[in-house]
Amino acid sequence: GAVVSQHPSRVICKSGTSVKIECRSLDFQATTMFWYRQFPKKSLMLMATSNEGSKATYEQGVEKDKFLINHASLTLSTLTVTSAHPEDSSFYICSARDRGGAGLSGELFFGEGSRLTVL
Amino acid sequence: AQSVTQLDSHVSVSEGTPVLLRCNYSSSYSPSLFWYVQHPNKGLQLLLKYTSAATLVKGINGFEAEFKKSETSFHLTKPSAHMSDAAEYFCVVRGNQGGKLIFGQGTELSVKP
Repeated sequence: GAVVSQHPSRVICKSGTSVKIECRSLDFQATTMFWYRQFPKKSLMLMATSNEGSKATYEQGVEKDKFLINHASLTLSTLTVTSAHPEDSSFYICSARDRGGAGLSGELFFGEGSRLTVL
Repeated sequence: AQSVTQLDSHVSVSEGTPVLLRCNYSSSYSPSLFWYVQHPNKGLQLLLKYTSAATLVKGINGFEAEFKKSETSFHLTKPSAHMSDAAEYFCVVRGNQGGKLIFGQGTELSVKP
């Protein structure tokens, strides 16, 4: 099956620094990728929809200047947490839609997640 | 707007006994519904999906779910639980705006030996 790779799987950083998380589709092209945030013992909260070659669409309440998303190619989207603070500590998960799927029915594949800890 | 409600935040079963994880959905049109499983500190794995074909959907690892329009339900079942089934399970509906997935609150499944 299709594989979505996230890197790094774990990252610890100091408050005030920026952290970049990569999401790659390894064996398919993804025109659309989604970024989620998951708090402990909680469900996934959609942060933004990333479309290749265009600006990301952010969900209500998500600061676009805080969470920078870039989708520069059909296989790579990045999430940069800028000026990270302890409250940004969370589990971030990306998903990618297989471009080969017809329209909205293309299957979504999830990455393994990236745990960010901000000290 | 589409939504899903998982009726139990935590379910505990003994190994070898049946599993039932309940999910109700709300949708103004024929929905696409999914069940995903998440093991600790891992990403999500698709168990099964319903996309308006057969109402009884068989998934991986012996799981299945039945779409019941009259009850607006999509409960997940498995005849016999295994220790490796212990995980978090999410019922998900695909939204009609951009195909975004809308997640339920999750049900934590514990399996006792």
